[in-house]
Amino acid sequence: AQSVTQLGSHVSVSEGALVLLRCNYSSSVPPYLFWYVQYPNQGLQLLLKYTSAATLFKGINGFEAEFKKSETSFHLTKPSAHMSDAAEYFCAVRLLEPGGGADGLTFGKGTHLIIQP
Amino acid sequence: DAGVIQSPRHEVTEMGQEVTLRCKPISGHDYLFWYRQTMMRGLELLIYFNNNVPIDDSGMPEDRFSAKMPNASFSTLKIQPSEPRDSAVYFCASSPGRRTGPLHFGNGTRLTVT
Repeated sequence: AQSVTQLGSHVSVSEGALVLLRCNYSSSVPPYLFWYVQYPNQGLQLLLKYTSAATLFKGINGFEAEFKKSETSFHLTKPSAHMSDAAEYFCAVRLLEPGGGADGLTFGKGTHLIIQP
Repeated sequence: DAGVIQSPRHEVTEMGQEVTLRCKPISGHDYLFWYRQTMMRGLELLIYFNNNVPIDDSGMPEDRFSAKMPNASFSTLKIQPSEPRDSAVYFCASSPGRRTGPLHFGNGTRLTVT
């Protein structure tokens, strides 16, 4: 079964500081990984997605994620936090079923990012 | 591209009433998903369709929940009768035919059952 674990339900950083949001996945087959952001009272917006043949992926708003197969991780980073980054961030995995069918995304529990002025 | 459109944005109803949530996916997307978001359980996949056919409804909590997709541009999620524990934000999402692609979400319907 596929799953993702996000370490830390809340992360607080100062404005201008490094943002690091952790995501680990468990999968017996190569996963397709995504990060989504949810602002208050809004839907989920795609931040970035994993594509094969690369390890570092750039997304919107200056965010990046690094895929480390050996650590089964897909952590999200941003060098310098802005107040506007305050939101809920979700890591998600999508797998192909053995028979080739599609499945929906399985989401982590989410990490609430707080930016301190 | 207008995105995934859900209606209504907010729904307040009394226990026992029927509730219908609506979704218009992005044109050309072959997959449609219904998710529920609560504080306790996070985001849960309820059901998904491929080319208007329900593929997996194992996430539907009980028989009070039903979903239909009569055509490629419209889907409904119905709860009958509604209960207070159904209070949540319900999201519809769609994705193109590539099974490895991301899902595109609507802004959700916030349901409150009193």
